[in-house]
Amino acid sequence: DTGVSQDPRHKITKRGQNVTFRCDPISEHNRLYWYRQTLGQGPEFLTYFQNEAQLEKSRLLSDRFSAERPKGSFSTLEIQRTEQGDSAMYLCASSLAVDRLIGTDTQYFGPGTRLTVL
Amino acid sequence: KNEVEQSPQNLTAQEGEFITINCSYSVGISALHWLQQHPGGGIVSLFMLSSGKKKHGRLIATINIQEKHSSLHITASHPRDSAVYICAVAYSGGGADGLTFGKGTHLIIQP
Repeated sequence: DTGVSQDPRHKITKRGQNVTFRCDPISEHNRLYWYRQTLGQGPEFLTYFQNEAQLEKSRLLSDRFSAERPKGSFSTLEIQRTEQGDSAMYLCASSLAVDRLIGTDTQYFGPGTRLTVL
Repeated sequence: KNEVEQSPQNLTAQEGEFITINCSYSVGISALHWLQQHPGGGIVSLFMLSSGKKKHGRLIATINIQEKHSSLHITASHPRDSAVYICAVAYSGGGADGLTFGKGTHLIIQP
């Protein structure tokens, strides 16, 4: 399977714990995006990488959130000191960007990691 | 905040019906995306367009830049088309908002 993969698919944690999610994009894709989706809502943009550089961060991404893409391949999203409000589906997408403008490339989504904070 | 509005929020139709889902946005965009999300979360990109019309199988997407409006049409609808359809835009100013998504239209096609 050469699609976008995410691990784990589900994570249940207690408030105050740290969690880390991984995303493996399609191998030749240079852009990687993280989104968050709560029940009944559309996804919300969190951040994106062009190769290993984190180029944009949403105002939604508080100091407790950090994302990395160290070698321009897989990416991790860490949430420190989780809160109940962090419960959501965390989606990763990748694309092969040919234009510098964000959002002008077809994005391929992973299955998501569903986080539940108790 | 720049908003993306979709209508209807929910739509139930009979197999074979022609379906239209609408999306409107507030300011200039560089691209508009239509996405399909099935239960369990998987999202598939259907179309990306910045002008005119695109067709893929039974799906047609149109955009009117002047009206700031796009429509997704499904011809000869089938129960397997049941899903949430999401409109997302990339605003011309780019910046830290990335793609802005609508809340989605929940479509059910009954046999």
